Amino acid sequence: GAVVSQHPSRVICKSGTSVKIECRSLDFQATTMFWYRQFPKKSLMLMATSNEGSKATYEQGVEKDKFLINHASLTLSTLTVTSAHPEDSSFYICSAAKGAGEQFFGPGTRLTVL
Amino acid sequence: SQKIEQNSEALNIQEGKTATLTCNYTNYSPAYLQWYRQDPGRGPVFLLLIRENEKEKRKERLKVTFDTTLKQSLFHITASQPADSATYLCALSPSSGYSTLTFGKGTMLLVSP
Repeated sequence: GAVVSQHPSRVICKSGTSVKIECRSLDFQATTMFWYRQFPKKSLMLMATSNEGSKATYEQGVEKDKFLINHASLTLSTLTVTSAHPEDSSFYICSAAKGAGEQFFGPGTRLTVL
Repeated sequence: SQKIEQNSEALNIQEGKTATLTCNYTNYSPAYLQWYRQDPGRGPVFLLLIRENEKEKRKERLKVTFDTTLKQSLFHITASQPADSATYLCALSPSSGYSTLTFGKGTMLLVSP
């Protein structure tokens, strides 16, 4: 149990376009979902925390208007990178928490902005 | 500021030996400490969680220790196998928020046959 999926796994887009990434908890209801970004050989950096039905809480330095998060249900959260630029190219990973402490991570989405 | 340090250099060991990875932290009082495995181009996979009032936890060939006085956790893989080669991430959860994780950069482990 505790499987989290992400779609797409890889996306290449042109500068200025928007990209939506989906995160789903397949076999459990997640109380909280998290979005991370990871640059090569760097640690995962938390971008935002979201609870179903409420606004996401963004970490300092993360633009909420650029990285739109919608947590529509207990099994689905989406991250939309608006007006993407090459510096947004990164590995985006979501996770879902069932309860205290343990998070289950998705396989990640590789975003490349040309 | 909060800091989590893991050995930045890759750890190379021979198959069958015990691998020991270190996680040190400063300016932090975590309620939970977790270890994850991450393969290239993949999301982290949860391995073990240890609470602040626990000294040691085991799961099959894995063992984690947590010393809140030294502010250190050690992660051991006994009888290591080439399939254990991956990057291992240490992550801490604060006392005040049960699910928010702060990750270290990870240590790459390479197990040679």
